[in-house]
Amino acid sequence: GPKVLQIPSHQIIDMGQMVTLNCDPVSNHLYFYWYKQILGQQMEFLVNFYNGKVMEKSKLFKDQFSVERPDGSYFTLKIQPTALEDSAVYFCASSLRTGKDNQAPLFGEGTRLSVL
Amino acid sequence: GDSVTQTEGPVTVSESESLIINCTYSATSIAYPNLFWYVRYPGEGLQLLLKVITAGQKGSSRGFEATYNKETTSFHLQKASVQESDSAVYYCALGEGTGGLSGKLTFGEGTQVTVIS
Repeated sequence: GPKVLQIPSHQIIDMGQMVTLNCDPVSNHLYFYWYKQILGQQMEFLVNFYNGKVMEKSKLFKDQFSVERPDGSYFTLKIQPTALEDSAVYFCASSLRTGKDNQAPLFGEGTRLSVL
Repeated sequence: GDSVTQTEGPVTVSESESLIINCTYSATSIAYPNLFWYVRYPGEGLQLLLKVITAGQKGSSRGFEATYNKETTSFHLQKASVQESDSAVYYCALGEGTGGLSGKLTFGEGTQVTVIS
């Protein structure tokens, strides 16, 4: 079946550096999401993206975070600069529709980000 | 804000026994939420197990069932007879319903279930 692919599966970087997490969503999906899960805690919504724009972002989506999907390629989450508290697993998801007909977002396997 | 609370894990159950994972929700910003159960099997990504979008209805998949109870704001997951292959982490989630535009989900903390033979 269709899959959301995340690259890389694990990224280790030094605090203060920039990192870009890549997501290859399902090809005909229109809505894209990032979630963050710190070890032992709940998976929490960061941001969603539709038609080239951020629709909604949570308080976890700091000013150092940005998302884009240039020309229908990867949907990316960039963190610049990174901080120790950004260490977590980041999950990308995509869906075709929202609301009552929400087909339920399809999730990738996550990218584990370790900030040293 | 919206929140989801589920049975605290880890939970260990013997093969062929029944399993219930409790889930209650608070949807302060959503009038008619959609409810979901997702599952993560060892070494795999998060995948949808079942969803219900209408209060009073039941969803089922792979022998699991969950009923959307608006009165008790609950969406408990049950299986009558588990197998070792059901060992996984189960997540209850709440999402927007009719008229919702953002598609975001609010997750519970997840319940680790281990089925032993």
